[in-house]
Amino acid sequence: NAGVTQTPKFQVLKTGQSMTLQCAQDMNHNSMYWYRQDPGMGLRLIYYSASEGTTDKGEVPNGYNVSRLNKREFSLRLESAAPSQTSVYFCASSDTSGGLEQYFGPGTRLTVT
Amino acid sequence: SQQGEEDPQALSIQEGENATMNCSYKTSINNLQWYRQNSGRGLVHLILIRSNEREKHSGRLRVTLDTSKKSSSLLITASRAADTASYFCATEDSSYKLIFGSGTRLLVRP
Repeated sequence: NAGVTQTPKFQVLKTGQSMTLQCAQDMNHNSMYWYRQDPGMGLRLIYYSASEGTTDKGEVPNGYNVSRLNKREFSLRLESAAPSQTSVYFCASSDTSGGLEQYFGPGTRLTVT
Repeated sequence: SQQGEEDPQALSIQEGENATMNCSYKTSINNLQWYRQNSGRGLVHLILIRSNEREKHSGRLRVTLDTSKKSSSLLITASRAADTASYFCATEDSSYKLIFGSGTRLLVRP
């Protein structure tokens, strides 16, 4: 069991470039999440998917889009990267929404210059 | 906006001592969870306490929850160098989303 995997591990973008962060889980979880973590801060929810076929905005969705490709995969897209999106991005999954622990991937460190 | 706020922001103790960190939150919750993050890694779930529970234990971890004061504490007993990490509380709101605090950085000196 790989758990939650994320690609890439590191990425440097120029302002205005686009990219997609990939996330996959092999635990047959229904719910998946994208967070960002800025230095010295906790995690902030960008988007989440309570179940396959549904997505919803979190606390900081502006500048991002998501796709729940299937039950395993949940991708995060930056259409036009900005320096303010420099951060570490974490994907997580849980068996269902509500009352259960979330399992986190190792993170993607993104720098936008 | 941050729901949970941990206190202290940083804590340095000697191996073998106990470490206590606190979390305060603002609105009513379904449950409160504690996570650990080693440097440069993802978060790992430690323990979950439901809003109708007051205390929970898991190995060397003890968590308390006081819903009247909207606060929780995490106690790590007999700390080890391997406990060095950042610790985050996360509260689950009525729409089942987790809201994380800014964390306590714990350093356990050998």
